[in-house]
Amino acid sequence: NAGVTQTPKFQVLKTGQSMTLQCAQDMNHEYMSWYRQDPGMGLRLIHYSVGAGITDQGEVPNGYNVSRSTTEDFPLRLLSAAPSQTSVYFCASGTTPGITEAFFGQGTRLTVV
Amino acid sequence: GESVGLHLPTLSVQEGDNSIINCAYSNSASDYFIWYKQESGKGPQFIIDIRSNMDKRQGQRVTVLLNKTVKHLSLQIAATQPGDSAVYFCAENKNAGNMLTFGGGTRLMVKP
Repeated sequence: NAGVTQTPKFQVLKTGQSMTLQCAQDMNHEYMSWYRQDPGMGLRLIHYSVGAGITDQGEVPNGYNVSRSTTEDFPLRLLSAAPSQTSVYFCASGTTPGITEAFFGQGTRLTVV
Repeated sequence: GESVGLHLPTLSVQEGDNSIINCAYSNSASDYFIWYKQESGKGPQFIIDIRSNMDKRQGQRVTVLLNKTVKHLSLQIAATQPGDSAVYFCAENKNAGNMLTFGGGTRLMVKP
């Protein structure tokens, strides 16, 4: 059972470039989400989804887009990368309502230069 | 504003001792409070949660205490082991909804 799989693990982008961070889960969870973690800080919610075709904004959605076409996949898109988006990004899945136990991927370390 | 925070950024304990990690919260509307563990280079891992109508909940070697009077949450780890070395985050879920809000984290270091 793979759980939550994120790709790539590391990425360096130039300012203005676009890219998609991939996230897939094989636990049939309705709930999926994206967090960013900056050095020495906690996790901040970017976007989340409670099922295919449904997405919503979290605490820090600006500069990021998401879509949920299948239960398994929840990609995060950076349309025009900025240095402020340098961070470690985590995808998580779980069951709702009342999410408490979220299953996290290993993270994607993104550097924007 | 609403926040979940931690008292101490780093806690150092001797192997075999008990550890207590503290967290203060200001959002009284939260339904659940949760503890996560994050080892270096990995994603956070769920440890235990407690509903807001409870004072105490025990798991395997861990106990979470909730004091609603002073808005304080703590995680107690019994007989701390080297494998417990990690950063611990408290989190909250408001109104049994779809958002987890995380605090800033405490690093636990276990000395052999």
